[in-house]
Amino acid sequence: SQTIHQWPATLVQPVGSPLSLECTVEGTSNPNLYWYRQAAGRGLQLLFYSVGIGQISSEVPQNLSASRPQDRQFILSSKKLLLSDSGFYLCAWSVGAGIQPQHFGDGTRLSIL
Amino acid sequence: AQSVAQPEDQVNVAEGNPLTVKCTYSVSGNPYLFWYVQYPNRGLQFLLKYITGDNLVKGSYGFEAEFNKSQTSFHLKKPSALVSDSALYFCADNNDMRFGAGTRLTVKP
Repeated sequence: SQTIHQWPATLVQPVGSPLSLECTVEGTSNPNLYWYRQAAGRGLQLLFYSVGIGQISSEVPQNLSASRPQDRQFILSSKKLLLSDSGFYLCAWSVGAGIQPQHFGDGTRLSIL
Repeated sequence: AQSVAQPEDQVNVAEGNPLTVKCTYSVSGNPYLFWYVQYPNRGLQFLLKYITGDNLVKGSYGFEAEFNKSQTSFHLKKPSALVSDSALYFCADNNDMRFGAGTRLTVKP
């Protein structure tokens, strides 16, 4: 069966520090991968998605970047965190797009001090 | 632009009563509409979807949703609510990876 892992579960970082959040998927090949941010327990904002290794589409220009160094690994990064980067970050995968559901990890709660 | 909207931030129902969580869409072409549920400090879980075919779709945990083209709606329903149904519910346009703002459902004993 397929599983998705995100870590860390919680993270507290000072303003201006770098960030690296990792997401890995097991049990499937060539998944679509997604990074979302959820602010204050409400709606989700799609940040990045990837349909293959090295292929990253950015939905919202901002302080963050994403990379996909391996088929089932998706990394969210920042060189310098801002206060506004605080939030709940969710990684998800799907088989293709459109008619198949997305499967979400349990998220990383990021607090910027 | 394609989008989904959830007009209610909060829905409160008594246990055992029917529940409805509303979603409307504005999608050109054929919408791929999904419902997800989120429990505290967890990721979203897929409940059900409408792609084509029967307008009434059934999903996990006794939930169902009706696709209504004339009203551009895809409301989530359950005949008898449980306290354990209390969670945050999201409607999504899976074609565009856009989610509604979410509706917090509280079921009171």
